Amino acid sequence: AQSVSQHNHHVILSEAASLELGCNYSYGGTVNLFWYVQYPGQHLQLLLKYFSGDPLVKGIKGFEAEFIKSKFSFNLRKPSVQWSDTAEYFCAVNAGTDKLIFGTGTRLQVFP
Amino acid sequence: GAVVSQHPSRVICKSGTSVKIECRSLDFQATTMFWYRQFPKKSLMLMATSNEGSKATYEQGVEKDKFLINHASLTLSTLTVTSAHPEDSSFYICSARSGLQETQYFGPGTRLLVL
Repeated sequence: AQSVSQHNHHVILSEAASLELGCNYSYGGTVNLFWYVQYPGQHLQLLLKYFSGDPLVKGIKGFEAEFIKSKFSFNLRKPSVQWSDTAEYFCAVNAGTDKLIFGTGTRLQVFP
Repeated sequence: GAVVSQHPSRVICKSGTSVKIECRSLDFQATTMFWYRQFPKKSLMLMATSNEGSKATYEQGVEKDKFLINHASLTLSTLTVTSAHPEDSSFYICSARSGLQETQYFGPGTRLLVL
């Protein structure tokens, strides 16, 4: 069965620190990959997505993610986080089916 | 990005009653809408996929007679929780997509509390 793993369940950083959140998936074929963010009290918003082409994808608010096919990974990065980045981050995969498979989420807390 | 709305944003009902939640795509036509359930500190669990004009496809373990889904138009899908029980209390989120290779856009969610 397809699955998505987010190994970091809770990350705490100070402002200006660099961020990398891991995401691994299990599926051998063509995949579409997504990172969604859920700010406190708000709905899920798309941060970035990868369908094809350049494996380094840039999203909104300074986030980027790199698709490494050989590692089945799609890690999210930001060089310098801000307090406003405090949120829940979800990796999701669409792999040969009609639906998105979500990871369990990573809660990011950024302290000033 | 595209906008998806849900109504109501929160609802409290008595056990045994039915509750209808609406999901609307405001600025695009959604050929497919999805209904998720989100438990506290947990990921989103897909409940069902609905395509406009056809019956919804339910995920394993989701009771189709309890969670009735109707996708009558390209901009509206409804989820009706029938004979609600306290264990149905949860956060229900819909998403909508305009095509197979398109991004899913999520609604703000509906918090259901069954007393």
